[in-house]
Amino acid sequence: DTEVTQTPKHLVMGMTNKKSLKCEQHMGHRAMYWYKQKAKKPPELMFVYSYEKLSINESVPSRFSPECPNSSLLNLHLHALQPEDSALYLCASSHGLAGGRNEQFFGPGTRLTVL
Amino acid sequence: GDSVTQMEGPVTLSEEAFLTINCTYTATGYPSLFWYVQYPGEGLQLLLKATKADDKGSNKGFEATYRKETTSFHLEKGSVQVSDSAVYFCALSARPFGANSKLTFGKGITLSVRP
Repeated sequence: DTEVTQTPKHLVMGMTNKKSLKCEQHMGHRAMYWYKQKAKKPPELMFVYSYEKLSINESVPSRFSPECPNSSLLNLHLHALQPEDSALYLCASSHGLAGGRNEQFFGPGTRLTVL
Repeated sequence: GDSVTQMEGPVTLSEEAFLTINCTYTATGYPSLFWYVQYPGEGLQLLLKATKADDKGSNKGFEATYRKETTSFHLEKGSVQVSDSAVYFCALSARPFGANSKLTFGKGITLSVRP
């Protein structure tokens, strides 16, 4: 099973709403990632979790709050977003072992629209 | 820093035509190299990879060879199909490998195959 699942598939929210994106993998991967992708652009890394601990935050605004409840789950909590935050949000996972296989497997993404 | 350069697009081909998408990279050491494909409305799928010089990655009729002497990883397919229409991203992951080994993406190129 090389599947990463994400919910919801689509999300529309106002600037005062609080919502969460969810990501799940059952490949035993110990590294999980959040990316933001704008139309016709490559994904931009936001956060990296390694062994359930936040290891990289790419200077993301605090209105995005990641959470890793366990090794299979990754959440992204959203609050007070701006219209320019509208994008495709992708989750990915990899083995995460030092010196090991490092290809990342991506989920289908959540298409977020902020009104 | 690390970088990936892809040829400018978009590319439009007729079905059964030969495909080449150029990709060159700049990185210290010996990175791993990847091609990802993104079909409309979907996340990224790992198409193929190569981890050392002269490795050939292949999948679904696509091939790419890791050429250290020319720092290239060009994607080829002998006969494209309409279903190959997608955006293709070349990417690298630099050593040391592990959870914090970031993916550096090229800008991506849109391929359209007409019947």
